[in-house]
Amino acid sequence: GDSVTQTEGLVTLTKGLPVMLNCTYQTTYSPFLFWYVQHLNEAPKLLLKSSTDNKRTEHQGFYATLHKSSSSFHLQKSSVQLSDSALYFCALSRASSGQKLVFGQGTILKVYL
Amino acid sequence: NAGVIQTPRHKVTGKGQEATLWCEPISGHSAVFWYRQTIVQGLEFLTYFRNQAPIDDSGMPKERFSAQMPNQSHSTLKIQSTQPQDSAVYLCASSSGQGANTEVFFGKGTRLTVV
Repeated sequence: GDSVTQTEGLVTLTKGLPVMLNCTYQTTYSPFLFWYVQHLNEAPKLLLKSSTDNKRTEHQGFYATLHKSSSSFHLQKSSVQLSDSALYFCALSRASSGQKLVFGQGTILKVYL
Repeated sequence: NAGVIQTPRHKVTGKGQEATLWCEPISGHSAVFWYRQTIVQGLEFLTYFRNQAPIDDSGMPKERFSAQMPNQSHSTLKIQSTQPQDSAVYLCASSSGQGANTEVFFGKGTRLTVV
């Protein structure tokens, strides 16, 4: 079946530094990839999505590029802020499963002064 | 737009009791999803409805768990004879379209604690 892997459970950074959160996936179908962000005691919210190979997508300073050759969709930001501290999920869907999402384990990002 | 509303936000049940969780999707959304969130397993898909019809319940434990959507404005997840391992945050979500890239909107979840 489909799967998503996020290798980092916790990433801690000082404000202003760049960050990359890893996401790789496995599916035999053409995928749609998503990043969701969940702040403490809040609902997960969509941050980014893409289904186009090798095209960078950006939102709120975050960006990611879907690379089908390496089955990756890493999330990056050039300068993290305190408000970026949250739980980040990478997720996958495919046309035949509607909007059913398969999630990775999640990565906690903690940003310090 | 109040978003997806889940009630209660917190529920504590004794082992063996029944728990019913409620979800009100965003008005006009045709698809409703249930997920379970734990530290160990992350976010796991449970089931989903489209236009109130059950479409995929492949993630539902076969015993004790059931979900219904009696009308377009609410869905329930019922857990019978709750066990400590059922303790989790249960998230409801809804979406408006049919495409796999349509945004899914989540509620804040119900934290279920089985003691």
